[in-house]
Amino acid sequence: AQSVTQPDIHITVSEGASLELRCNYSYGATPYLFWYVQSPGQGLQLLLKYFSGDTLVQGIKGFEAEFKRSQSSFNLRKPSVHWSDAAEYFCAVVPNRDDKIIFGKGTRLHILP
Amino acid sequence: DAGVTQSPTHLIKTRGQQVTLRCSPKSGHDTVSWYQQALGQGPQFIFQYYEEEERQRGNFPDRFSGHQFPNYSSELNVNALLLGDSALYLCASSPKWPSGPNEQFFGPGTRLTVL
Repeated sequence: AQSVTQPDIHITVSEGASLELRCNYSYGATPYLFWYVQSPGQGLQLLLKYFSGDTLVQGIKGFEAEFKRSQSSFNLRKPSVHWSDAAEYFCAVVPNRDDKIIFGKGTRLHILP
Repeated sequence: DAGVTQSPTHLIKTRGQQVTLRCSPKSGHDTVSWYQQALGQGPQFIFQYYEEEERQRGNFPDRFSGHQFPNYSSELNVNALLLGDSALYLCASSPKWPSGPNEQFFGPGTRLTVL
């Protein structure tokens, strides 16, 4: 079945450490890919998106993501996390141009001081 | 410039009742989508409205219906509420459907609790 998988439900990192959040999808063609962040009590904010072109995408708040077609992955990275990065992160996929968006179940990021 | 706004913030209903949630899109946006986010889950697409018509629909029963007004604002209606309808309902707006998977701007959501 077509799906978006975020294998880590919770991740804890120390402030200043690097971060990688994993996302895998199971769609045949190259879909449209997104990462959103949701802070407690808030709606979702777009961090970055990939439609085509350079497979390394830069986003807001110092985040980046790399599209790897061979691995069907779109992992989110940040070199040095800040306490304010504690939130829930969602990977999302639009399989084809006019398809509906499909979200993963999310990864909750905890930051240790 | 106000972003996407939703009302009310919280709502408590009992089983069998009906509920209406409201959304105003970001200025300049004409497409509104609704999502249901159950606890511990990612948002699930309910439907999308453009030019006052439902353009796409996710796997939700007919109890879920919507409306878009000429000023692009939208309502989500849920009839015959079930306990399982308890969730955060998110509204998102985007410009100019259909023009591909545009970035969607999300509102803060309405937390619905069904007792």
